[in-house]
Amino acid sequence: AQSVAQPEDQVNVAEGNPLTVKCTYSVSGNPYLFWYVQYPNRGLQFLLKYITGDNLVKGSYGFEAEFNKSQTSFHLKKPSALVSDSALYFCAVRDIGGGATNKLIFGTGTLLAVQP
Amino acid sequence: DGGITQSPKYLFRKEGQNVTLSCEQNLNHDAMYWYRQDPGQGLRLIYYSQIVNDFQKGDIAEGYSVSREKKESFPLTVTSAQKNPTAFYLCASSIFLAGVNTGELFFGEGSRLTVL
Repeated sequence: AQSVAQPEDQVNVAEGNPLTVKCTYSVSGNPYLFWYVQYPNRGLQFLLKYITGDNLVKGSYGFEAEFNKSQTSFHLKKPSALVSDSALYFCAVRDIGGGATNKLIFGTGTLLAVQP
Repeated sequence: DGGITQSPKYLFRKEGQNVTLSCEQNLNHDAMYWYRQDPGQGLRLIYYSQIVNDFQKGDIAEGYSVSREKKESFPLTVTSAQKNPTAFYLCASSIFLAGVNTGELFFGEGSRLTVL
């Protein structure tokens, strides 16, 4: 069965420090991986995706993610955290059983708290 | 501006009542989805639709129903059979590209349903 895991419920980081939010996946075949961000009582916003190609993917708001096939990981990173980055972050993988839709399987989310 | 509109944003319901959540998109997307979000559980797929007049059950369809009579609209009805309906409901859509869909999901702002 396909799945994604976000091993940390919460990540704390000081403003200006680098941040990493972890995600590991389990899929058969090539994975299509996504990161989304959610602010309180709002919908999810797309940050970036990995489909194929360069293992380092750049996305919105200065975020990037590194695809590592041997470790089955897709960690989200940012060189310098901002207080405004504080939010709930979701990793997701495309469900290959979804036919021609982009049916996604989401992780449980990681709350990022950036202290001033 | 193009986007997805969910209404109402907040909804209160008495036990035993059915309630319908609206989802409208003007992105010209073919595929639409309903997810349920509960604290600590991430997002779980309720129903999805690839095309008008067609939809499939997701992982937690019991107690829910949908229709897709128009491309732009994908309403979700939470019936009295849903045992624990209090949750945050998110509607999303995605592009359908030549039968292979690798686009991201676009989300609405969500509807929070509370059963009293």
